[in-house]
Amino acid sequence: KQEVTQIPAALSVPEGENLVLNCSFTDSAIYNLQWFRQDPGKGLTSLLLIQSSQREQTSGRLNASLDKSSGRSTLYIAASQPGDSATYLCAVHSGGGADGLTFGKGTHLIIQP
Amino acid sequence: DARVTQTPRHKVTEMGQEVTMRCQPILGHNTVFWYRQTMMQGLELLAYFRNRAPLDDSGMPKDRFSAEMPDATLATLKIQPSEPRDSAVYFCASGLVRGGRVSYEQYFGPGTRLTVT
Repeated sequence: KQEVTQIPAALSVPEGENLVLNCSFTDSAIYNLQWFRQDPGKGLTSLLLIQSSQREQTSGRLNASLDKSSGRSTLYIAASQPGDSATYLCAVHSGGGADGLTFGKGTHLIIQP
Repeated sequence: DARVTQTPRHKVTEMGQEVTMRCQPILGHNTVFWYRQTMMQGLELLAYFRNRAPLDDSGMPKDRFSAEMPDATLATLKIQPSEPRDSAVYFCASGLVRGGRVSYEQYFGPGTRLTVT
């Protein structure tokens, strides 16, 4: 059974810093990995999707990498801003006929002004 | 601006009552998912459909939960009878599976926040 772990569970940094959020998964047989953002009381906004054949994806100040063989992904946020404060969720779409996403518990990020 | 919609956004009900949550997937998407989010368990898959056919509902308590897709534009999740432990945020998501591709993106709705007292 696929398990997804995110470290750290919470992170607080001053504005302007570059930061890295980590995600690991136990079964490397995945189709893709998605990073989501969730604001308090809100739904999930998809940030980046990395196909299993890709190594990284970039969108603006965000860069996500994938090392499928080691079961790891990182989300890099450059020049953090207070508006980046949210919970960031990592989810994997595994093979084996199960189409649902398996989510980590998330990293709660606070960017201090 | 295509998006997944869910109604109601909030629902407070008493234990034992029936609850129905509705989802309108993005037009043209052929795969619809129901997830539940709690503080303790995080986000978990309850059930999903492809081309309106249920493919997996192993994550759903069968005795009280039921999920259906009456047509391609509507998915429903029903709880009868509801219990306090069902209090959670229920998310619907949709995606488009094309041809032989197995990888696709899932788009989430805003969720229904359910409180059972």
